Amino acid sequence: GAGVSQSPRYKVAKRGQDVALRCDPISGHVSLFWYQQALGQGPEFLTYFQNEAQLDKSGLPSDRFFAERPEGSVSTLKIQRTQQEDSAVYLCASSFNTGTAGNTIYFGEGSWLTVV
Amino acid sequence: GESVGLHLPTLSVQEGDNSIINCAYSNSASDYFIWYKQESGKGPQFIIDIRSNMDKRQGQRVTVLLNKTVKHLSLQIAATQPGDSAVYFCAEPHHSNDMRFGAGTRLTVKP
Repeated sequence: GAGVSQSPRYKVAKRGQDVALRCDPISGHVSLFWYQQALGQGPEFLTYFQNEAQLDKSGLPSDRFFAERPEGSVSTLKIQRTQQEDSAVYLCASSFNTGTAGNTIYFGEGSWLTVV
Repeated sequence: GESVGLHLPTLSVQEGDNSIINCAYSNSASDYFIWYKQESGKGPQFIIDIRSNMDKRQGQRVTVLLNKTVKHLSLQIAATQPGDSAVYFCAEPHHSNDMRFGAGTRLTVKP
């Protein structure tokens, strides 16, 4: 597609429920990122993939959070036993190359998760 | 710890005026900075970037200024339009591949 696509756009989950958020990056993009954005805050890094390899997961807040990109394209962020503090927008982003300087990161529109 | 931060959380300007959004950073080793625009309900959108070997870079109606001496970054928007209303973030490399964002400045353009 033309841009990074995320689904679902909106998700309401009951506390304790598992959720899965999907990201379709721009075709051919090597790097894929997940960010968490709380209301009124900037995006916070969660995890990074280079192709299918998860090279950095230092931002995942707990072992309830799990991400995968098995074929190096589509990625899924899974949150187990959701809690109210997990309520946020989850942004997926991709870039053509690795590294940061000059390697523009393109964001999707986010998946808005509300845990009730 | 090292962080990216913004001087003002909100900025209100009159349509047609110039806007200046400021950002302070503390990691003197950062060699690359990006400004993003985020409209309500959307993901951040790349506006302009600058490398640390430059002190100014211009785009269409936007200019980014970098002052490495005081570790300060600014985004100038010329002839601000209603469509410029959004939250603006500066970002710098965090680890080798991801970016760290500040909390953002909300720009409101008054007609």
